Amino acid sequence: NAGVTQTPKFQVLKTGQSMTLQCAQDMNHEYMSWYRQDPGMGLRLIHYSVGAGITDQGEVPNGYNVSRSTTEDFPLRLLSAAPSQTSVYFCASSYEGRGYEQYFGPGTRLTVT
Amino acid sequence: AQSVAQPEDQVNVAEGNPLTVKCTYSVSGNPYLFWYVQYPNRGLQFLLKYITGDNLVKGSYGFEAEFNKSQTSFHLKKPSALVSDSALYFCAVRDLNSGGSNYKLTFGKGTLLTVNP
Repeated sequence: NAGVTQTPKFQVLKTGQSMTLQCAQDMNHEYMSWYRQDPGMGLRLIHYSVGAGITDQGEVPNGYNVSRSTTEDFPLRLLSAAPSQTSVYFCASSYEGRGYEQYFGPGTRLTVT
Repeated sequence: AQSVAQPEDQVNVAEGNPLTVKCTYSVSGNPYLFWYVQYPNRGLQFLLKYITGDNLVKGSYGFEAEFNKSQTSFHLKKPSALVSDSALYFCAVRDLNSGGSNYKLTFGKGTLLTVNP
């Protein structure tokens, strides 16, 4: 199993540009989440999904969109990038059988100039 | 609402000494508790979890944590620290009584552990 994969690893955007961060998992997990990690802030939940076709907002959803058309994929879209979105983004998946223990991807480091 | 506090931003210990990284939590019901570790420029790795049962939980790399319900704490411990344990440690909680969103984890802000040779 590849686990949770994320692409790209690094990205630089200009203010106002849009892009999609890709996330995929091959463990057939029901639940997937997107977090952002900022110094001194820990991990903050952006959006999450409880299954294909079902998504909901987390703690910091503004400026981001998600969709979940398949169990495997959970892309995160930045609609119009802002410098405040400079961060490291982690995708994670989980399932009930292990108490919703999160399996994390390697992360995407995004810089918005 | 569920929350987690890691009261120390940084912990420094000498190699070979015991280490403790503190975590306290707040939930309305029963908690699931987790510890994750992040090495530089890497993703988060699972260390251990408490769901039910024995209050002392053993995990990866010789780490353990003790669940204390009366003090609402879940401190991470290791009897003898290694330089390679230096990393960022996150505590997380899931509230079993938070209704339809009870699969979500709330993370602390992290504690940077430095083990000096």
